[in-house]
Amino acid sequence: DAGVIQSPRHEVTEMGQEVTLRCKPISGHDYLFWYRQTMMRGLELLIYFNNNVPIDDSGMPEDRFSAKMPNASFSTLKIQPSEPRDSAVYFCASSFWGARGKGEAFFGQGTRLTVV
Amino acid sequence: AQSVTQLDSQVPVFEEAPVELRCNYSSSVSVYLFWYVQYPNQGLQLLLKYLSGSTLVKGINGFEAEFNKSQTSFHLRKPSVHISDTAEYFCAVTEQGFQKLVFGTGTRLLVSP
Repeated sequence: DAGVIQSPRHEVTEMGQEVTLRCKPISGHDYLFWYRQTMMRGLELLIYFNNNVPIDDSGMPEDRFSAKMPNASFSTLKIQPSEPRDSAVYFCASSFWGARGKGEAFFGQGTRLTVV
Repeated sequence: AQSVTQLDSQVPVFEEAPVELRCNYSSSVSVYLFWYVQYPNQGLQLLLKYLSGSTLVKGINGFEAEFNKSQTSFHLRKPSVHISDTAEYFCAVTEQGFQKLVFGTGTRLLVSP
């Protein structure tokens, strides 16, 4: 498997613009997580899905952030409108709970977002 | 809710010296524990995990960690570090029955010649 694939790797956008980050989890994984990493706040869990259903979005900072998982192989994190304080590295991770695994998460390479 | 504390934000060490990175967790139920490593401009990579059984677990790159339930700790150790071990190390916990993986703030390991 190619692992968790995120796109784009880098995104530079102007304040007020809409930003969409994309993630393809590992095939067969039933959990998908979105994390945000900054120097100030470290690694924060934003939202996670189980079998495409959002389970906990308590980490989503505000209504400007939304996430979807229309099918088992694709998820998006959208920020509208974007603000400079949203600048961070956003990671997508997937995991599998069952006999073959106990939730160890596999991470993508991340999307470095810069809002100017 | 579970939480993870990594008290050391940075640990400087000389090459070939031993190192211990500390991790303490808080949870009212049984947990699974993980250590991840992050190299510059990379995603996180799993080093090792504790699910059950032996409290001493071995991982990749010569790292090992020991689960201590009474002290709620899961410290990471390596007997002899290399320059290439310079990276950020994250401890993470998930409660059995739940799938939310919570990370500590990370420890930056700086290995110098």
